[in-house]
Amino acid sequence: GAVVSQHPSRVICKSGTSVKIECRSLDFQATTMFWYRQFPKQSLMLMATSNEGSKATYEQGVEKDKFLINHASLTLSTLTVTSAHPEDSSFYICSARDRANSGANVLTFGAGSRLTVL
Amino acid sequence: DAKTTQPNSMESNEEEPVHLPCNHSTISGTDYIHWYRQLPSQGPEYVIHGLTSNVNNRMASLAIAEDRKSSTLILHRATLRDAAVYYCILHPNFGNEKLTFGTGTRLTIIP
Repeated sequence: GAVVSQHPSRVICKSGTSVKIECRSLDFQATTMFWYRQFPKQSLMLMATSNEGSKATYEQGVEKDKFLINHASLTLSTLTVTSAHPEDSSFYICSARDRANSGANVLTFGAGSRLTVL
Repeated sequence: DAKTTQPNSMESNEEEPVHLPCNHSTISGTDYIHWYRQLPSQGPEYVIHGLTSNVNNRMASLAIAEDRKSSTLILHRATLRDAAVYYCILHPNFGNEKLTFGTGTRLTIIP
């Protein structure tokens, strides 16, 4: 089945630094990937929709200059948290839809990346 | 987006069937009923989806009411590994529509 790989799974950084999280579709091509954020004991919140070869679409209230998304190929999307602060500490999860199996409209999720900003 | 309503939490004994309800009274004709679950410290995983007819797969069964205003996810024999948050989501079966998560049902399995 479709597999989405996220890296790193855990990252700790100092306040003010930038962190890049990668999301790869391992055995399928994904024209669209979605980035979510989840705080403890809360549900997933969609941050942005990443489209291959074009600019990402951000949800209301998500700062596009702080959360940079690049989707340069059909198998890779990256999320960069710029000038991270402790309030950015969260569980970041990406998901992708298999373009060849788009009829089922089922999303495959990565295992998530836990970011801790000191 | 049409909204779904689920109980915040449920408990079930191990090796017994579990019925997880979901209400979606404002469902539209093009909405499929999707279920995902999220195990602790992991990303969500797809469980099952359907439109009108009941569906079965290796993980679970989905029973959909005739008026489609509610559905039930059935785990036939719960194991400790089924402890997770289960999300019922309405989603059109076309295009690149985003998936919006509600609060889900936290299922606890009692050994």
